[in-house]
Amino acid sequence: KQEVTQIPAALSVPEGENLVLNCSFTDSAIYNLQWFRQDPGKGLTSLLLIQSSQREQTSGRLNASLDKSSGRSTLYIAASQPGDSATYLCAVKETNSKLTFGKGITLSVRP
Amino acid sequence: GAGVSQTPSNKVTEKGKYVELRCDPISGHTALYWYRQSLGQGPEFLIYFQGTGAADDSGLPNDRFFAVRPEGSVSTLKIQRTERGDSAVYLCASSLTGQEYNEQFFGPGTRLTVL
Repeated sequence: KQEVTQIPAALSVPEGENLVLNCSFTDSAIYNLQWFRQDPGKGLTSLLLIQSSQREQTSGRLNASLDKSSGRSTLYIAASQPGDSATYLCAVKETNSKLTFGKGITLSVRP
Repeated sequence: GAGVSQTPSNKVTEKGKYVELRCDPISGHTALYWYRQSLGQGPEFLIYFQGTGAADDSGLPNDRFFAVRPEGSVSTLKIQRTERGDSAVYLCASSLTGQEYNEQFFGPGTRLTVL
């Protein structure tokens, strides 16, 4: 059974810092991996989708990498801002259906 | 265009009651997914529809939970004899097709509270 782990559960950084959020998964037979952002009381906003054949994806200040063989992904956030404060979840897709999610990392960017 | 919408946004009910949660996917998306998110956890898969049929319902926790998508668009998640443990945010997502490379887009969720 696939397990997705995100450590630490919470992170607090000063504004302007570059930071890396980690995600690991136990079964490398995945189709793709998605990073989501969730604001308190809200739904999920998709940030980046990396197909299994890809190594990384970039969108603005965000860069996500995927190392399928080692079961790891990282989300890099450059020049963090207070507006980046949210919970970040990673999820892997193993079949044509479900995503398996980690518990998320709650990020706080201090002004 | 419009994203995935879910109604109601909040639902409070009493233990033992029946509830229905509605999801309107993005127009033209054939695949629809339901997930459940408990406090402090990531979403957990419940059921996946491809068109009108449930292609994978392996995540439904028990037979009190049922979902339909009769015309291949709107879906309704139905919960009978609700229990306090059913309290969670119920999220709906859709994708263009069920193909593995397609991105899933999520709605805002319905927060269900069972008293």
